[in-house]
Amino acid sequence: GQSLEQPSEVTAVEGAIVQINCTYQTSGFYGLSWYQQHDGGAPTFLSYNALDGLEETGRFSSFLSRSDSYGYLLLQELQMKDSASYFCAVVNQGGKLIFGQGTELSVKP
Amino acid sequence: DTAVSQTPKYLVTQMGNDKSIKCEQNLGHDTMYWYKQDSKKFLKIMFSYNNKELIINETVPNRFSPKSPDKAHLNLHINSLELGDSAVYFCASSPGGGETQYFGPGTRLLVL
Repeated sequence: GQSLEQPSEVTAVEGAIVQINCTYQTSGFYGLSWYQQHDGGAPTFLSYNALDGLEETGRFSSFLSRSDSYGYLLLQELQMKDSASYFCAVVNQGGKLIFGQGTELSVKP
Repeated sequence: DTAVSQTPKYLVTQMGNDKSIKCEQNLGHDTMYWYKQDSKKFLKIMFSYNNKELIINETVPNRFSPKSPDKAHLNLHINSLELGDSAVYFCASSPGGGETQYFGPGTRLLVL
């Protein structure tokens, strides 16, 4: 079967750094994507890792270790607008995305 | 300049009815998808089309039938609606391997 695990919720304060972990079990793995979804909104693409290592895009970075079936999303200099749900998603053959259950991030002042 | 658009945004209907949701993308992408997001925010793929051809068909009741008249459009028709069909349905498109997907605003379906 295929499964992804990520924490259900994380709380942090403005200006802090937070890491959201994702472990996965799947066949036909191509890479790991991350999406952000605000309440009432649509998922929006944040990053994609096909190879091991760290990818940086502004305040957000994503890491992948294929040998450990593990990745994380790192959010730096947290802002109130970062409060949202964050989903990791395995990319399989045919462009199929298998989503995790999502991590609800609350940023407090 | 909406990239992926869906209509309607909200749909309230009675059990047993048939309804359709439409999706259009103006990004020139070859691949389009339908996802269902339940009340616990779990996002699950339903269908995927590449250039009008069905490439992903998950375990979905055959009351759900997608149709792609051209590569910019992917519609979803649902027959004999049930209470459990209440959810948010998202359309998405992708230029290539599916790792980067652009989602529409969603259609909130409520079956009474």
